[in-house]
Amino acid sequence: NAGVTQTPKFQVLKTGQSMTLQCAQDMNHNSMYWYRQDPGMGLRLIYYSASEGTTDKGEVPNGYNVSRLNKREFSLRLESAAPSQTSVYFCASSTDGPYGYTFGSGTRLTVV
Amino acid sequence: DQQVKQNSPSLSVQEGRISILNCDYTNSMFDYFLWYKKYPAEGPTFLISISSIKDKNEDGRFTVFLNKSAKHLSLHIVPSQPGDSAVYFCAASVKTSYDKVIFGPGTSLSVIP
Repeated sequence: NAGVTQTPKFQVLKTGQSMTLQCAQDMNHNSMYWYRQDPGMGLRLIYYSASEGTTDKGEVPNGYNVSRLNKREFSLRLESAAPSQTSVYFCASSTDGPYGYTFGSGTRLTVV
Repeated sequence: DQQVKQNSPSLSVQEGRISILNCDYTNSMFDYFLWYKKYPAEGPTFLISISSIKDKNEDGRFTVFLNKSAKHLSLHIVPSQPGDSAVYFCAASVKTSYDKVIFGPGTSLSVIP
């Protein structure tokens, strides 16, 4: 039972490079989320997808784009990475709205 | 301005004693509250939740108390075990709003054997 799988686990980018963080869940959850965690700030919502085919901005969407490829997969893209995007990124899913989430193990991204 | 506050960045407790983690919120629209636990290099895992229509919810060694008038909730762990050592995040949400789950900054709990 894999739950939520994120790839890659670690990544170092140069300023201006682009990359896509992948997330897949095998629990048949409708809702999926991307959060970033920064020291002293908790987890902040970047984008979410309430159901397949829909995406919406969260608290900190600038510099990011998302794709809900199908019910299982929700990717996060950085088009032109900036040092301010150095963070740990978590994907999460839930069965029915903003209740208990299942999180992936995270992607630690460093932008130099 | 943080809507969900956890004013203690860290807490140390002796094994077998009670751990009390506190959380304060400012938005009176929040109607659902959750606690997550996070070990290093892992994602947070859901621990326990409480709806605003209740003032207490219990699950084994974990109890969450909600004081709506004070906009305060707390997580009690009794008895504390070394395996409880982790970062605990308080989260608050408006049940009908997917983008209204707000996490606190976390409290790092160390349970000393």
